[in-house]
Amino acid sequence: ELKVEQNPLFLSMQEGKNYTIYCNYSTTSDRLYWYRQDPGKSLESLFVLLSNGAVKQEGRLMASLDTKARLSTLHITAAVHDLSATYFCAVDRLEYGNKLVFGAGTILRVKS
Amino acid sequence: GAGVSQSPSNKVTEKGKDVELRCDPISGHTALYWYRQRLGQGLEFLIYFQGNSAPDKSGLPSDRFSAERTGESVSTLTIQRTQQEDSAVYLCASSPLPRGTQYFGPGTRLLVL
Repeated sequence: ELKVEQNPLFLSMQEGKNYTIYCNYSTTSDRLYWYRQDPGKSLESLFVLLSNGAVKQEGRLMASLDTKARLSTLHITAAVHDLSATYFCAVDRLEYGNKLVFGAGTILRVKS
Repeated sequence: GAGVSQSPSNKVTEKGKDVELRCDPISGHTALYWYRQRLGQGLEFLIYFQGNSAPDKSGLPSDRFSAERTGESVSTLTIQRTQQEDSAVYLCASSPLPRGTQYFGPGTRLLVL
């Protein structure tokens, strides 16, 4: 069974600090996604990572993928308040059909 | 262009009643997904439609849940004889390709009293 675990589940950080959110998955997967969800809003796609060693960056967020360790990280650099949201990772694998399997999410609160 | 839209945005119903949730995907997107998000949890896959192929219903939690899609347009998710554990946000997503990036709608927040 394909399972996804994120940690931490809740992260409170000061503006200007760096931190990393971790996403582990149980079996090999085809692709890994990071999504952002603001309170009361829907999910916004941030990154899609396809291969081992893939790294993508957008602003203060950088995502990487280690398929051998079945691990993805979302690194936050010099956090700002606007980054406060819930971040989800999700994976898919053809053998499991067309669905995405999501982690529980990491609630990020950046304090001014 | 317009994104995925869902209606209603909120629904409060009594236990035992049936509810119908609607999803309008992005025009031209052939793939459509329904997910459920319980409070404080990640999304659970419910059902997937791709063109005229038979839907993947493997995530539907019980036979009280059903969904339909007309061609490559609107989809409706129906929950019969609602139970309190059905309370959740129901999210719809569409994709231009099978297994392409999924674009999510704002969700329908369902509360079963």
